[in-house]
Amino acid sequence: DGGITQSPKYLFRKEGQNVTLSCEQNLNHDAMYWYRQDPGQGLRLIYYSQIVNDFQKGDIAEGYSVSREKKESFPLTVTSAQKNPTAFYLCASSPQGGNQPQHFGDGTRLSIL
Amino acid sequence: GQQLNQSPQSMFIQEGEDVSMNCTSSSIFNTWLWYKQEPGEGPVLLIALYKAGELTSNGRLTAQFGITRKDSFLNISASIPSDVGIYFCAGRLSGGAGNMLTFGGGTRLMVKP
Repeated sequence: DGGITQSPKYLFRKEGQNVTLSCEQNLNHDAMYWYRQDPGQGLRLIYYSQIVNDFQKGDIAEGYSVSREKKESFPLTVTSAQKNPTAFYLCASSPQGGNQPQHFGDGTRLSIL
Repeated sequence: GQQLNQSPQSMFIQEGEDVSMNCTSSSIFNTWLWYKQEPGEGPVLLIALYKAGELTSNGRLTAQFGITRKDSFLNISASIPSDVGIYFCAGRLSGGAGNMLTFGGGTRLMVKP
């Protein structure tokens, strides 16, 4: 089935540690996105990529990094510089151009040990 | 980044009742999307609207793209327990870059059997 796969479902981070969240899609979408969701709140954009080997900062990029070496993959690294990383992280993808909706993965919940 | 004003923030209704929620903005949007998110999962697209005044249904769900292009409404008729979840509106700004979306803060719907 075509879709967006995020892993792991749950992740724990120790103080001072970098962790990487995986996002893979087999929808042949050009654009991919990372959002952060805090309890009771909407989605805030961390980073997005409209094409391979290119990505842009979103509204809350500080403390995060991404790469887009393959069309199918858009991993997000939560660095030790992100002082409040506990949140639900959502990856999305969409075709580039036009008014195509974004489609979401099932999320990764990150917690601090 | 800009957020849409989504209301109400939460609703607790009796099974069988109709539900209405809306999103408003001071900016003009050229696309409105409505998503539903269940606990621990990613948002799932319910309805997409592309034209001012457009009224679209998906089963018991009906959404409208406001004529001013600054708002959108979602109605759920004859609610059932499986309607429980968080409903998000999302809009694409007129003249905005690529497929970037702005999200509302969500409406948490609870249905009493």
